[in-house]
Amino acid sequence: EQLVESGGGLVKPGGSLRLSCAASGFPFSSYTMHWVRQAPGKGLQWVSSINTGSTYIYYADSVKGRFTISRDNTKNSLHLQMNSLRVEDTALYYCARDRRASELPLDDAFDVWGQGTTVTVSS
Amino acid sequence: YMLTQPPSVSVAPGKTATITCGGNNIGRKSVYWYQQRPGLAPILVIYYDSDRPSGIPERFSGSNSGNTATLTISRVDAEDEADYYCQVWDNIDDHWVFGGGTKLTVL
Repeated sequence: EQLVESGGGLVKPGGSLRLSCAASGFPFSSYTMHWVRQAPGKGLQWVSSINTGSTYIYYADSVKGRFTISRDNTKNSLHLQMNSLRVEDTALYYCARDRRASELPLDDAFDVWGQGTTVTVSS
Repeated sequence: YMLTQPPSVSVAPGKTATITCGGNNIGRKSVYWYQQRPGLAPILVIYYDSDRPSGIPERFSGSNSGNTATLTISRVDAEDEADYYCQVWDNIDDHWVFGGGTKLTVL
């Protein structure tokens, strides 16, 4: 069971970036997935979640209207389109998986995490 | 919804570490705990307040009541030195919430 993030980089304020997370070793289409970020030297901050059928999508207030989460179950991939980026979006972005498989979002833990991809927003 | 953790906890090897996570009526919610060693991704250590995933030592235990959830690590050793985060689902705002994290130092 593995998650590998990609797509991070250096971008100017106001710019855009698309993160991806490639899943392997488990039935990706059966799990709700999440993005969590961690600013340098700071704690974990939940960003967004999406259920198996993309019918339940949630965002943190700090990114709502600027970020879009999506998934492609045929390609076992999770994405985060980030627009109107701000300096405060600078962070290591992790994708994570729900502990249990379910079509609906669950109140359950995140049991598989990737190693993260770094996003730096700076002029 | 907000979760409050002490920024740091220190404990001598072989002793018991207690890390708290405060929140309004948190006892009515399921609490999850993660361990994050420097430079690494978080690892789930406790789910549903007190259950341990496979591979997590029995030294790790959790409880949750009232306004405080607690992660207890008994017989602490050097490998337990890490940041620990609590997490809950806020079903009012449909948000996941993490505590600010607690740095556990093994003296």
